Amino acid sequence: GAGVSQSPSNKVTEKGKDVELRCDPISGHTALYWYRQRLGQGLEFLIYFQGNSAPDKSGLPSDRFSAERTGESVSTLTIQRTQQEDSAVYLCASSPPGQGEIYGYTFGSGTRLTVV
Amino acid sequence: AQSVTQLDSQVPVFEEAPVELRCNYSSSVSVYLFWYVQYPNQGLQLLLKYLSGSTLVESINGFEAEFNKSQTSFHLRKPSVHISDTAEYFCAVSRKDTGRRALTFGSGTRLQVQP
Repeated sequence: GAGVSQSPSNKVTEKGKDVELRCDPISGHTALYWYRQRLGQGLEFLIYFQGNSAPDKSGLPSDRFSAERTGESVSTLTIQRTQQEDSAVYLCASSPPGQGEIYGYTFGSGTRLTVV
Repeated sequence: AQSVTQLDSQVPVFEEAPVELRCNYSSSVSVYLFWYVQYPNQGLQLLLKYLSGSTLVESINGFEAEFNKSQTSFHLRKPSVHISDTAEYFCAVSRKDTGRRALTFGSGTRLQVQP
């Protein structure tokens, strides 16, 4: 596609429920990142995928968070047993291999998650 | 680890006035530096970046930023702002020495341009 697509754009869920957030990167972009943006704060790195390499999960805040990516395509971020503190905008970004710093990452518009 | 500090959470300014958005960073290794902009209801877009070479970098819409290594700063400036510049601006860094290139962001500065 022309850009990074994220769905849903908004998600309201009850505390304790599981949610899945989806990211479709730009075709050919092997690098994919998930970030979290809490209200009034900067973006926090969550997880990084690069091609078929093992993902860098060092930013995941707890074991309730997990992410998968099929090859170099769609990625899903799953949050289990959601808590109110998980409320945030979840952003996905992709870039060509090894070129994010040159061309910049392309961000999606994000999924706004509200846990009630 | 790296950290980025944007001291001003909000900057109100009148149209056609100059503006400076401050960014300071901390890192034990060399970094690349970026400014991203987020317009209302849109995703983040790369505004400009410093990779190497000239310490003054410019964007196509009149913004510029200067890398100051001694002060570990990368302040963003524009000599005359427009209403359309109203947005949130994020400063970010990434390490030069790893392949991951994950960005570390500041908390953002909301630029509010008033007529």
